[in-house]
Amino acid sequence: NAGVMQNPRHLVRRRGQEARLRCSPMKGHSHVYWYRQLPEEGLKFMVYLQKENIIDESGMPKERFSAEFPKEGPSILRIQQVVRGDSAAYFCASSPSVRGNQPQHFGDGTRLSIL
Amino acid sequence: GQQLNQSPQSMFIQEGEDVSMNCTSSSIFNTWLWYKQDPGEGPVLLIALYKAGELTSNGRLTAQFGITRKDSFLNISASIPSDVGIYFCAGSPSGNTPLVFGKGTRLSVIA
Repeated sequence: NAGVMQNPRHLVRRRGQEARLRCSPMKGHSHVYWYRQLPEEGLKFMVYLQKENIIDESGMPKERFSAEFPKEGPSILRIQQVVRGDSAAYFCASSPSVRGNQPQHFGDGTRLSIL
Repeated sequence: GQQLNQSPQSMFIQEGEDVSMNCTSSSIFNTWLWYKQDPGEGPVLLIALYKAGELTSNGRLTAQFGITRKDSFLNISASIPSDVGIYFCAGSPSGNTPLVFGKGTRLSVIA
């Protein structure tokens, strides 16, 4: 998974705290996707962003969750007032552009544990 | 919403055997992708398919994009121990829309 960098790899939070997950896409990639994976499950889409724009957030809960991809710096997935059910692996993927057939490449994820 | 049914859920095979797994969808996809995920890591792209009927190989792996655009299969020939992992199919209506994932096929290889 060289290229898409996610940090931290593991994050532990207590209920009610905030969790911030970061994703730096592959060099030259301007499209970022966030997915969530529960144990024994496939990945579920959350949000799709281009630089400074949210393109599709249909998979992201309306409350407590937000995402951004600023002009400079990594994409951030923020979860406020975390609850036990937020425990999961969160993966970021990136792709170059909308033109042509350019698959998404994934980072190694952030494993979020809520105490 | 769109769903992918991936089968089998798990497989136990002897080293050297061939493996076949498949994915079907409830709607048409214009992109099919196959990923492998090892424990503690993210999915790694194995094969990408963009045309109905397309058959693509990557070493011992071969995947096909079904002619109906609603299915795909992945074959692994002459399995080896490092093939162990979870294989996911994923599809999307077009190249850069969000992916829909299957639940995965867990492959175990007995040496």
